[in-house]
Amino acid sequence: GAGVSQTPSNKVTEKGKYVELRCDPISGHTALYWYRQSLGQGPEFLIYFQGTGAADDSGLPNDRFFAVRPEGSVSTLKIQRTERGDSAVYLCASSSSGLAGTDTQYFGPGTRLTVL
Amino acid sequence: QQQVKQSPQSLIVQKGGISIINCAYENTAFDYFPWYQQFPGKGPALLIAIRPDVSEKKEGRFTISFNKSAKQFSLHIMDSQPGDSATYFCAASTYNFNKFYFGSGTKLNVKP
Repeated sequence: GAGVSQTPSNKVTEKGKYVELRCDPISGHTALYWYRQSLGQGPEFLIYFQGTGAADDSGLPNDRFFAVRPEGSVSTLKIQRTERGDSAVYLCASSSSGLAGTDTQYFGPGTRLTVL
Repeated sequence: QQQVKQSPQSLIVQKGGISIINCAYENTAFDYFPWYQQFPGKGPALLIAIRPDVSEKKEGRFTISFNKSAKQFSLHIMDSQPGDSATYFCAASTYNFNKFYFGSGTKLNVKP
């Protein structure tokens, strides 16, 4: 596609529910990143995929968060037993190879998650 | 601990003026410093980036100044325009690493 797309654009759920957030990266990009952006803050790194594998998941806050990228393209961020503190905008980005200095990370518009 | 500290939180500038946003970092392993621009409802977009082997980089009206000894870098927007009104984020990473540490953002409002 022309850019990184994310669905849904907005998600409202109740505390304790399970949610899935989807990211479609730019076609051909091997690197994919998830960030979380709380209100009034900068994006916070969650996880980085190189192809199908999670190369760095050190930013995932706890074991309720999990992400997959089974075919090396689309990625899904999964949050179990959601808590009100999970409310944020979840951003996805992709880059062609994953080298920070030589690669631009292209961000999607984000999914705004609200946990009631 | 916040890896990158950004100031000011908000900034109002008259059209044609100079907008200056500052960032500071502690980790001397950082060697790649991008600036991102974000409009409401959109994801951040890369504006300009610098590596510490130069003290300044200019692209059009946007200039990054870098002070390695002080571990500080700043974004200067010359001839600021209302269309520049957005939130700006500085970030830092190591050159061969894929994890960006972002500042907390500066909301810029350019008055016509």
